[in-house]
Amino acid sequence: DAKTTQPPSMDCAEGRAANLPCNHSTISGNEYVYWYRQIHSQGPQYIIHGLKNNETNEMASLIITEDRKSSTLILPHATLRDTAVYYCIVRVVSGGSNYKLTFGKGTLLTVNP
Amino acid sequence: GAVVSQHPSRVICKSGTSVKIECRSLDFQATTMFWYRQFPKQSLMLMATSNEGSKATYEQGVEKDKFLINHASLTLSTLTVTSAHPEDSSFYICSAIRTGRYTGELFFGEGSRLTVL
Repeated sequence: DAKTTQPPSMDCAEGRAANLPCNHSTISGNEYVYWYRQIHSQGPQYIIHGLKNNETNEMASLIITEDRKSSTLILPHATLRDTAVYYCIVRVVSGGSNYKLTFGKGTLLTVNP
Repeated sequence: GAVVSQHPSRVICKSGTSVKIECRSLDFQATTMFWYRQFPKQSLMLMATSNEGSKATYEQGVEKDKFLINHASLTLSTLTVTSAHPEDSSFYICSAIRTGRYTGELFFGEGSRLTVL
């Protein structure tokens, strides 16, 4: 898996958009960008993933730059329950052991009231 | 709701005993599951890949004789920490691949916190 770089921590006010950046300058053409988050003492939770185009689901939006060397996860209206460590991971989507994920240190997002 | 469940969520044991942690995929079959370990304030570290009907593949530095993995069915993988010691105290997390609509999406269990006294 390609290495990613994320800021160690970020703060966001409740109700505002949280924009979490991720650099993945060595990403390969067949690697997807995945985002997971981990609330304290829980297992990671899938958020969203994408290859080239921007993606949106009920949880968040993913903006991937045209050169695919970086991306931003957007939580449009952050709540206190969004406080968690957010992990950006790039990987090839294929069968078997290629599904394994390598976690970096992630970004601790703290949503403040 | 949770699609991957772990049991127990918390376990305390004495040094030298063995502890078994179960990971179940609740509404889908998982031929491959993964086991992670997470120490306080650290990221998840992959321990092994569990394959249904075959031997697990361990990451470098993980003792296969200490961390026994069994994936006997398409919905259940177990991790047994043998002769546990205080340094094995950690948060153990499993994940399973769900295909179809969620192609490429990994679901994680709630985690099992092991404390070895």
